[in-house]
Amino acid sequence: GAVVSQHPSRVICKSGTSVKIECRSLDFQATTMFWYRQFPKQSLMLMATSNEGSKATYEQGVEKDKFLINHASLTLSTLTVTSAHPEDSSFYICSATRGQKNEQYFGPGTRLTVT
Amino acid sequence: KQEVTQIPAALSVPEGENLVLNCSFTDSAIYNLQWFRQDPGKGLTSLLLIQSSQREQTSGRLNASLDKSSGRSTLYIAASQPGDSATYLCAVNEGAQKLVFGQGTRLTINP
Repeated sequence: GAVVSQHPSRVICKSGTSVKIECRSLDFQATTMFWYRQFPKQSLMLMATSNEGSKATYEQGVEKDKFLINHASLTLSTLTVTSAHPEDSSFYICSATRGQKNEQYFGPGTRLTVT
Repeated sequence: KQEVTQIPAALSVPEGENLVLNCSFTDSAIYNLQWFRQDPGKGLTSLLLIQSSQREQTSGRLNASLDKSSGRSTLYIAASQPGDSATYLCAVNEGAQKLVFGQGTRLTINP
């Protein structure tokens, strides 16, 4: 149990376009979902925290108008990178929590390349 | 501001050896600590979660300890196997479910 999926696993887009990444908890209802960004050979940096039906809470330095997060249901959160630029190229990972331990379960990640 | 440090950054050992990965954190007011494994280009797999009130957790060949007062955690891997090769990340939960990650230890087990 506690499987989190992401779609797509890889995406290449041109500068100026928008890209949507989906994060789904497949076999549980997630109290909260998180979006992280990871640069090559670096650790994960939290971008935002998302609760179903409410606005996401963004970490300092993360542009909320650029990284749009929608948490439509207890099993789905989406991250839209708007007007993407090459510096947005990164590995984006989502996670979801369930239960009282608040243990986070991570998705497989999405590799975004902006050309 | 919480900072999490993992030592060593990289480790290479022969198959069969027991090994210890270290994680330290600057603020002891944590909710829990989690150890993850990440394979290249993949997401994270949760290995062990230790609540702040616990001292250790075990799963198979893995044992994680937590000394909250000194701000340290260790991940012990017994009888290492080539399949254990991966990057190991520790992360502390400061509450509000936010995880602060260390930079990871890149582990290579040589056959």
